Amino acid sequence: GENVEQHPSTLSVQEGDSAVIKCTYSDSASNYFPWYKQELGKRPQLIIDIRSNVGEKKDQRIAVTLNKTAKHFSLHITETQPEDSAVYFCALHPGGGNKLTFGTGTQLKVEL
Amino acid sequence: EAQVTQNPRYLITVTGKKLTVTCSQNMNHEYMSWYRQDPGLGLRQIYYSMNVEVTDKGDVPEGYKVSRKEKRNFPLILESPSPNQTSLYFCASMLAGGGADTQYFGPGTRLTVL
Repeated sequence: GENVEQHPSTLSVQEGDSAVIKCTYSDSASNYFPWYKQELGKRPQLIIDIRSNVGEKKDQRIAVTLNKTAKHFSLHITETQPEDSAVYFCALHPGGGNKLTFGTGTQLKVEL
Repeated sequence: EAQVTQNPRYLITVTGKKLTVTCSQNMNHEYMSWYRQDPGLGLRQIYYSMNVEVTDKGDVPEGYKVSRKEKRNFPLILESPSPNQTSLYFCASMLAGGGADTQYFGPGTRLTVL
């Protein structure tokens, strides 16, 4: 099936700094790109998503950008806070498929 | 409250002893799915179901079975568990369609096979 490469696997930032996580894919027919946040011991929850007809989407301090030509999409978190510390997963919906394929996750740590 | 529930939340068992992890959703969702989460490997799909009596293999179906006799329930069955099935399991549901929408996850089941 479609593979999604996610980098970095761990990311440590100072509170107030920005964090960027990037995912690359190979199937040009992929059409839906969500990001999930998983706090320690909890379930993954959707935080933002983007579809292939949009290049960027923002929701307060988080944004997602999609570059269909280069086949990558990124999560941007600005003004990071300690509560942003979690594992973040990118995912995508392959064109014509019936499921989501997830990246391997990024452990984000926001240090005071 | 709209939710996805799983039981049990924690389970320790021995190799070869059949077990079932239940999953139920009260949102009238058509699509349900099972994932396993392992360190460094992310979330990998085991099986999914587009609707009642319609199930299909995900990326790692070996050693697992599922059934979808009712819309709200999607149990995961391990007929003969082995230690390599020790993992954190999540059930998820989605309103409809094939994956291009929000998935709602259950709280997870931590399974240890000795």
